[in-house]
Amino acid sequence: AQSVTQLDSQVPVFEEAPVELRCNYSSSVSVYLFWYVQYPNQGLQLLLKYLSGSTLVKGINGFEAEFNKSQTSFHLRKPSVHISDTAEYFCAGSFSGGYNKLIFGAGTRLAVHP
Amino acid sequence: AAGVIQSPRHLIKEKRETATLKCYPIPRHDTVYWYQQGPGQDPQFLISFYEKMQSDKGSIPDRFSAQQFSDYHSELNMSSLELGDSALYFCASSLGQGAETQYFGPGTRLLVL
Repeated sequence: AQSVTQLDSQVPVFEEAPVELRCNYSSSVSVYLFWYVQYPNQGLQLLLKYLSGSTLVKGINGFEAEFNKSQTSFHLRKPSVHISDTAEYFCAGSFSGGYNKLIFGAGTRLAVHP
Repeated sequence: AAGVIQSPRHLIKEKRETATLKCYPIPRHDTVYWYQQGPGQDPQFLISFYEKMQSDKGSIPDRFSAQQFSDYHSELNMSSLELGDSALYFCASSLGQGAETQYFGPGTRLLVL
């Protein structure tokens, strides 16, 4: 069965420090992977996506993620976070044959402290 | 750029009442997805439509039904509402059934009292 797992429910970090939010997936078929951000009381905004090709993908707001097939991971990174990055981050996968429905991880709450 | 529109943005209902949520996809998008996000939870796929036909079905209760109309907007009808239906309901749209990216609307927050 296909699944997406986010390994950390909460990640506290100080402003200007680097951060990594971890995501692993399980699938026997091809997969597209996405990171979405959700600010309080708002919808889901696409940060970045991996479809194929280069395993390092860059997104908005200085975020990037690396697709690692051997480790079935798609970790999100940012070299220097800001207070405004405080939000809930969701990793999601779209698995071949699933008509593109997204399967989400449980989410990681990123809390940036001054 | 035009985005996905959902209405209403907030809805309060009593138990056993019915509710209708509407979704207007990005212009030219022909595929619509519905997700339910309970408090503190991740979004769960409910149902999707492509070219006005149901294309996939997830964990959607039998009390819920949905359809996509000729102008590609979609409606999620919810009957016999229960307290547990209180959630944020997202609609997303994409261009084509095989499209890679779904664009999400702002959501409808449903509170069942």
